[in-house]
Amino acid sequence: EAGVAQSPRYKIIEKRQSVAFWCNPISGHATLYWYQQILGQGPKLLIQFQNNGVVDDSQLPKDRFSAERLKGVDSTLKIQPAKLEDSAVYLCASSFPGSSGANEKLFFGSGTQLSVL
Amino acid sequence: AQSVTQLGSHVSVSEGALVLLRCNYSSSVPPYLFWYVQYPNQGLQLLLKYTSAATLVKGINGFEAEFKKSETSFHLTKPSAHMSDAAEYFCAVSDQGDFQKLVFGTGTRLLVSP
Repeated sequence: EAGVAQSPRYKIIEKRQSVAFWCNPISGHATLYWYQQILGQGPKLLIQFQNNGVVDDSQLPKDRFSAERLKGVDSTLKIQPAKLEDSAVYLCASSFPGSSGANEKLFFGSGTQLSVL
Repeated sequence: AQSVTQLGSHVSVSEGALVLLRCNYSSSVPPYLFWYVQYPNQGLQLLLKYTSAATLVKGINGFEAEFKKSETSFHLTKPSAHMSDAAEYFCAVSDQGDFQKLVFGTGTRLLVSP
């Protein structure tokens, strides 16, 4: 079974530039998440999609971050303009509802490591 | 608000020794609790989860964790460490349902020496 695919693996940009990350979840997974993992910290949820709708974006810095999942499959996360404090690993995860309706297991991609200089 | 505290950013053990990684949680409702492992340059992998079915939870790779409500703890243990266990371990909590809006701890790096 193919896992969650993310690209690029690494990205280095200068502050005030724009950057975009791509995620392709496991086939059939309706729920998709973007997490930000700053060095020395645990992952923090940025946004959660259910199919192509946003379920939770309460921790997404909307003045500079945006995300979309137009066809309910793959997703892009964009930062514009980037700040030094955005340096982190951006993790994508997906899950599917089990027989009870609750999500069963989160599968994580390997992440995109962003360095903002 | 829900949160988890992982005591010790680094834990060092010898191969064959007991592994104990500590996690304390804070939640206003019965929590869902999780342990994830992250190997270098890889995504997080679920080790085990607690969802109120049983207080002692067995996971993959010989790990287990015990939910203690009185201590608000969910410590991860393994009787005998293996070199391949060296990784970063994250405890996570959700008060909104299974795998919903997980809040992660800061992680504990497990170092295993020969």
